[in-house]
Amino acid sequence: GAGVSQSPRYKVAKRGQDVALRCDPISGHVSLFWYQQALGQGPEFLTYFQNEAQLDKSGLPSDRFFAERPEGSVSTLKIQRTQQEDSAVYLCASSPSSGSHEQFFGPGTRLTVL
Amino acid sequence: QQQVKQSPQSLIVQKGGISIINCAYENTAFDYFPWYQQFPGKGPALLIAIRPDVSEKKEGRFTISFNKSAKQFSLHIMDSQPGDSATYFCAVNAGNNRKLIWGLGTSLAVNP
Repeated sequence: GAGVSQSPRYKVAKRGQDVALRCDPISGHVSLFWYQQALGQGPEFLTYFQNEAQLDKSGLPSDRFFAERPEGSVSTLKIQRTQQEDSAVYLCASSPSSGSHEQFFGPGTRLTVL
Repeated sequence: QQQVKQSPQSLIVQKGGISIINCAYENTAFDYFPWYQQFPGKGPALLIAIRPDVSEKKEGRFTISFNKSAKQFSLHIMDSQPGDSATYFCAVNAGNNRKLIWGLGTSLAVNP
């Protein structure tokens, strides 16, 4: 079956622009995570959804970052007024249930802010 | 403060050799210890994981050794192959909070 997909794969934005990154999790997966991975670093947690409920957004670096999952499947991570420090790979992962530890990752969206 | 310390940062091994990567953690509440493999341009993929109630888990050429008292765990790759060349991340997870906390990664190169 299909894995986690993310779009676009690459995004170049000018400083100050708004961007929207999409994640299509594995069908039926309850949990969805967003992580930010800077170049040469490990991923860092941004936010977590269980179905449509955003249960943890403690990792969002500022109020410019907003995530939603309105119907409990597809999720969008939006970054307003992008800054150069937002340049990173944004990874989405899904998990079958809230009790499952294993997370399945998409290929990521590489965001470059000029 | 980094909650998961991973070493070495990079590793070069000859084909057929053993690759060893180590991780140390601080919080005894962590209860799930996975290792992920990441190739350039791809997302991380789960390689192997262990719970704290066992000291070792083996899957094919990959073994996790876990030392609860020392708060350390390690990944051993036996008979390393050039196709194993990738970045490896350890991570930890605590109970009901399913978010993963990651090490900084180890870049492994296996020479043919």
